[in-house]
Amino acid sequence: EAGVVQSPRYKIIEKKQPVAFWCNPISGHNTLYWYRQNLGQGPELLIRYENEEAVDDSQLPKDRFSAERLKGVDSTLKIQPAELGDSAVYLCASSSGHLNTGELFFGEGSRLTVL
Amino acid sequence: QKEVEQNSGPLSVPEGAIASLNCTYSDRGSQSFFWYRQYSGKSPELIMFIYSNGDKEDGRFTAQLNKASQYVSLLIRDSQPSDSATYLCAAPHFRFGKLIFGQGTELSVKP
Repeated sequence: EAGVVQSPRYKIIEKKQPVAFWCNPISGHNTLYWYRQNLGQGPELLIRYENEEAVDDSQLPKDRFSAERLKGVDSTLKIQPAELGDSAVYLCASSSGHLNTGELFFGEGSRLTVL
Repeated sequence: QKEVEQNSGPLSVPEGAIASLNCTYSDRGSQSFFWYRQYSGKSPELIMFIYSNGDKEDGRFTAQLNKASQYVSLLIRDSQPSDSATYLCAAPHFRFGKLIFGQGTELSVKP
């Protein structure tokens, strides 16, 4: 079974440029998460989707970040314009929705460097 | 106070020793707790979860939970160099349906 697929793996951009990350979750997983992980820190949730509905985006900096999950499958996270502080690894994860087991399946992540 | 806190380390132990990783949490409503392992440059992967007070053993790994003290730990017996990684403690925030991670403890097992 294919895992969570993310692209690109690495992205280097100059500040003020836009960037987009794509995620394809595990087939059948209705819940999709975007986390941001700074160096030496644990992942922090940016947004959570249940199917195509964003049910928790309280930590998403909405002035520059946007996300969508069309048809409840693939998802895209966009940053426009990027700032130096956005340099981090952006992790996509999916789950079957049973949070009590805590089994989130993570993709390999997209490492963003903003110069 | 962070909702889930861990000692960031690094924690260094010799091969064959017991590694002890600790985590505290603030939400008394948290019912279950998870340990994820993250190798350098890789994504986190679940290694254990626990929801009852006491110990839960899985091979060389033992998770311990003390809800009264709001404390959860992970013991790794007979540590191997391949156990060198960052270990993330996590607790679900049921009200908001999200998993909250600690900052992680970096473990280094020296041959």
